[in-house]
Amino acid sequence: DTAVSQTPKYLVTQMGNDKSIKCEQNLGHDTMYWYKQDSKKFLKIMFSYNNKELIINETVPNRFSPKSPDKAHLNLHINSLELGDSAVYFCASSPGGLATDTQYFGPGTRLTVL
Amino acid sequence: GQQVMQIPQYQHVQEGEDFTTYCNSSTTLSNIQWYKQRPGGHPVFLIQLVKSGEVKKQKRLTFQFGEAKKNSSLHITATQTTDVGTYFCAALTQGGSEKLVFGKGTKLTVNP
Repeated sequence: DTAVSQTPKYLVTQMGNDKSIKCEQNLGHDTMYWYKQDSKKFLKIMFSYNNKELIINETVPNRFSPKSPDKAHLNLHINSLELGDSAVYFCASSPGGLATDTQYFGPGTRLTVL
Repeated sequence: GQQVMQIPQYQHVQEGEDFTTYCNSSTTLSNIQWYKQRPGGHPVFLIQLVKSGEVKKQKRLTFQFGEAKKNSSLHITATQTTDVGTYFCAALTQGGSEKLVFGKGTKLTVNP
């Protein structure tokens, strides 16, 4: 029944490691997003994909690489993790490709880099 | 870049008191959305305003969009402990890139 799901929910890792976060939506939406929420709760968009195509790519280090194998999945791979990557990462989806569409957020992945 | 300023950053009220958070922009907004994030949870969509001067209500929540479409407010009447959380506005600026820009949120705590 879960609309937007993410795995894992928690991720604790050492600096320099590579890790991936997975996201799946069963809402039939065309657009998916990755957001980063820092310790001050600031939500900032990182990427968006519409039907597997990259639409938005904010100023994000190229250590972050999104991949969308199909429109229901959007994964985020992070290379060479740094302390500053510690945050909660939210996946979201919206019905169409418009920023005026409602965004449905996943439960989040809390990443802690030691 | 495009910014949406949200105030106050924190608000602490006694149960039963009213609460208001404001969202302001220096540029005209195409729309504004409001989200609520409970502690430990994820943002959940509350409402979207599109028209100049629009007012929408959801039970004890009243949402307004300014006449100039540069500001918005969320007002909660007679807060309850279930209202606790962080309230975010998010907006798409006219002529800007097709992405929602989120305010920094207002964290509401309610004393029972």
